[in-house]
Amino acid sequence: RKEVEQDPGPFNVPEGATVAFNCTYSNSASQSFFWYRQDCRKEPKLLMSVYSSGNEDGRFTAQLNRASQYISLLIRDSKLSDSATYLCVVNYSSYKLIFGSGTRLLVRP
Amino acid sequence: NAGVTQTPKFRILKIGQSMTLQCTQDMNHNYMYWYRQDPGMGLKLIYYSVGAGITDKGEVPNGYNVSRSTTEDFPLRLELAAPSQTSVYFCASSYQGNEQFFGPGTRLTVL
Repeated sequence: RKEVEQDPGPFNVPEGATVAFNCTYSNSASQSFFWYRQDCRKEPKLLMSVYSSGNEDGRFTAQLNRASQYISLLIRDSKLSDSATYLCVVNYSSYKLIFGSGTRLLVRP
Repeated sequence: NAGVTQTPKFRILKIGQSMTLQCTQDMNHNYMYWYRQDPGMGLKLIYYSVGAGITDKGEVPNGYNVSRSTTEDFPLRLELAAPSQTSVYFCASSYQGNEQFFGPGTRLTVL
């Protein structure tokens, strides 16, 4: 079983739609969690951290479910500029992150 | 701040050649990392460093070497390049080992 698993997609949604991605992780001792965004042929960039209480940043909401070992990302009112690959990232030690393979999102006009 | 910079941006190598990928960060981060990303795949950790003079292997270290003589620089050395090393290489740094900041990447092709 992969340490971090994501549905590769692509998720093809119209502008204005709400879309959600899930990610599961295998190590219950994981300490912290993140969503990164990666545009085509670019470096990954931090989108948001995921806290136990959940957190929201504008149109983006991240949730953590430790009991079921998954994290989620909800994007409301999708924009064309949201088209990218979203990487689920789990911290397994004090310095090492494990990256999922990513979920690709395509937002169409 | 320039953040994390990498050179070169692109490189084509012949089988058996060697090269060094440069990575520099100006954020005074202790932790630095090298990843490779193959098309359509996730990032795989090659090597990492938790401070100057300290390096350790990641998931896919074979065929690579690193050094960390200063806080700012973390070069990755490829010896005897092979087609399997064709990939995009990302360098990253972090302050306390959590959020990582990435450089723009080096696209390497080995023919």
